[in-house]
Amino acid sequence: EDQVTQSPEALRLQEGESSSLNCSYTVSGLRGLFWYRQDPGKGPEFLFTLYSAGEEKEKERLKATLTKKESFLHITAPKPEDSATYLCAVQAGDSNYKLTFGKGTLLTVNP
Amino acid sequence: ETGVTQTPRHLVMGMTNKKSLKCEQHLGHNAMYWYKQSAKKPLELMFVYNFKEQTENNSVPSRFSPECPNSSHLFLHLHTLQPEDSALYLCASSQDRDRDYNEQFFGPGTRLTVL
Repeated sequence: EDQVTQSPEALRLQEGESSSLNCSYTVSGLRGLFWYRQDPGKGPEFLFTLYSAGEEKEKERLKATLTKKESFLHITAPKPEDSATYLCAVQAGDSNYKLTFGKGTLLTVNP
Repeated sequence: ETGVTQTPRHLVMGMTNKKSLKCEQHLGHNAMYWYKQSAKKPLELMFVYNFKEQTENNSVPSRFSPECPNSSHLFLHLHTLQPEDSALYLCASSQDRDRDYNEQFFGPGTRLTVL
């Protein structure tokens, strides 16, 4: 059974204090790893897809990386508007559509 | 309208009521999904439709009944729900269920409270 574990569960940062969120996974044949951002009371917003170890993608202050066992979401010089829950999900095995989600990391950036 | 829309955004219903959730996608996609998001739990896939055909029912109780009249619209009909069904119900769409690089795009969700 595919498993996705995100850490930490919650993270508080000061504005400008860079850090990383972790997503570790145990799957049989990774097809893709997805990062989403979710604001309170809203649906997940797609951020990145990573398909192979060594791949990196960037968007503004966010950078996602992938190894064979985990992915990191690096946040550089965060701002209060980066506060949200960040979700990681994997697609694996024979399925091109089944997403196994982690429980998310709640990020709070204080001004 | 752009992306994926859902109505209503909030719904309160009694255990004996019948209600429906609506989802519409404006992305030209052919696959649509219903997810349930409960507090402190990961998103759970409920149903999958591909080109209007239901291709997955993830052991969902029959009090939840999906309907997909065309590739742009998806409904979730609710009847005789239980309080534990209270959750955020999310609709998503993707280009095609079986396509490589199959990113799913989510709507804003319907917050359902069952009294």
